[in-house]
Amino acid sequence: AQTVTQSQPEMSVQEAETVTLSCTYDTSESDYYLFWYKQPPSRQMILVIRQEAYKQQNATENRFSVNFQKAAKSFSLKISDSQLGDAAMYFCAYRRWEYGNKLVFGAGTILRVKS
Amino acid sequence: DAGVTQSPTHLIKTRGQQVTLRCSPKSGHDTVSWYQQALGQGPQFIFQYYEEEERQRGNFPDRFSGHQFPNYSSELNVNALLLGDSALYLCASSPNRVYYEQYFGPGTRLTVT
Repeated sequence: AQTVTQSQPEMSVQEAETVTLSCTYDTSESDYYLFWYKQPPSRQMILVIRQEAYKQQNATENRFSVNFQKAAKSFSLKISDSQLGDAAMYFCAYRRWEYGNKLVFGAGTILRVKS
Repeated sequence: DAGVTQSPTHLIKTRGQQVTLRCSPKSGHDTVSWYQQALGQGPQFIFQYYEEEERQRGNFPDRFSGHQFPNYSSELNVNALLLGDSALYLCASSPNRVYYEQYFGPGTRLTVT
């Protein structure tokens, strides 16, 4: 069974600075997806960024980028120029390649942004 | 486009009772998944419905059951409620075979007393 581990229960960052959230996962599959989701206090789970395992290039979405190390089974999220609106719970998630497969989530990291 | 909607927003039930939660998927989506998120934890997969059938199930007891209607909306039923069933229940919808596109609803907060 696949597992996802987020070793940082809580992180803090100063507004406009950069922060990196860590995630490791365990799988025997070679093809899969990895995601970072953001869950603000409103509870709505929002997709931040997606990475396909077959792609060597790291995904980027505006201020959000990932460092995907397939051999190390590591998938970290870097948030640049942090904003107050980035404060939320961040979840790393894994999904197998085949359709219909479930998301496996980590325990989450609370990100606090200081003004 | 209203996105994924869930009802009710909150509800309180007593141990032993039964509850039904509802989800309407995003327009154009035909696959619905349900997740349970205990306080301070990541969501746990309950099951997924496609073409009105349960396609995949997580490690949840038979007290958890579901249904999908022809219009793709879905219900989650929980029987014989336990205190441990208190959680946020999230519904997510996706188009079948679009592997990565999964949109979440705002959730239903269930409290069992």
